[in-house]
Amino acid sequence: ELKVEQNPLFLSMQEGKNYTIYCNYSTTSDRLYWYRQDPGKSLESLFVLLSNGAVKQEGRLMASLDTKARLSTLHITAAVHDLSATYFCAVVQGAQKLVFGQGTRLTINP
Amino acid sequence: DAGITQSPRHKVTETGTPVTLRCHQTENHRYMYWYRQDPGHGLRLIHYSYGVKDTDKGEVSDGYSVSRSKTEDFLLTLESATSSQTSVYFCAISQQGQGLETQYFGPGTRLLVL
Repeated sequence: ELKVEQNPLFLSMQEGKNYTIYCNYSTTSDRLYWYRQDPGKSLESLFVLLSNGAVKQEGRLMASLDTKARLSTLHITAAVHDLSATYFCAVVQGAQKLVFGQGTRLTINP
Repeated sequence: DAGITQSPRHKVTETGTPVTLRCHQTENHRYMYWYRQDPGHGLRLIHYSYGVKDTDKGEVSDGYSVSRSKTEDFLLTLESATSSQTSVYFCAISQQGQGLETQYFGPGTRLLVL
């Protein structure tokens, strides 16, 4: 059974700082996704990572994938308040079914 | 937004009553999914569909049934709602973009079972 674990689950940080969210998964998968969710809203797709060593960047967010370690990271550079949200990683399990991590609630304080 | 709508957006019902949630998409996507979101659990797959009349169970399918009689509509039914089914329900579609399959989510339905 595929399990996906994120840490930390809660993260409070100051603007301008850097931090990393970790996503571990238990069995081999060929795709990993990162989503963002604002309070009371739906999920927004951020990144799709396909292969070992894949790195994608969008603004202050950078995601990477190490398939051998079954680990993905979402790195936040010089955080700004607008990045406050809950971030989910999700891993594909056959038939394009997604298994989600618990989510990391990120709060960025001025 | 991948053309996904969900109805109703909010519903309050009583234990033991049947409830049907509707997901509607306008772009002829083959795959559709129902997830539930609860604090501390992320999103969990309830059922999914890979075509008209083709459905399968997900991780948390007990107490739920689905139907897909048309490509554009995927219905989720709680035959006899229980308080443990109080949740936010998201529909999703799978869409190919830039050579990659990505799931896009509808706006969600907040269901409260009293």
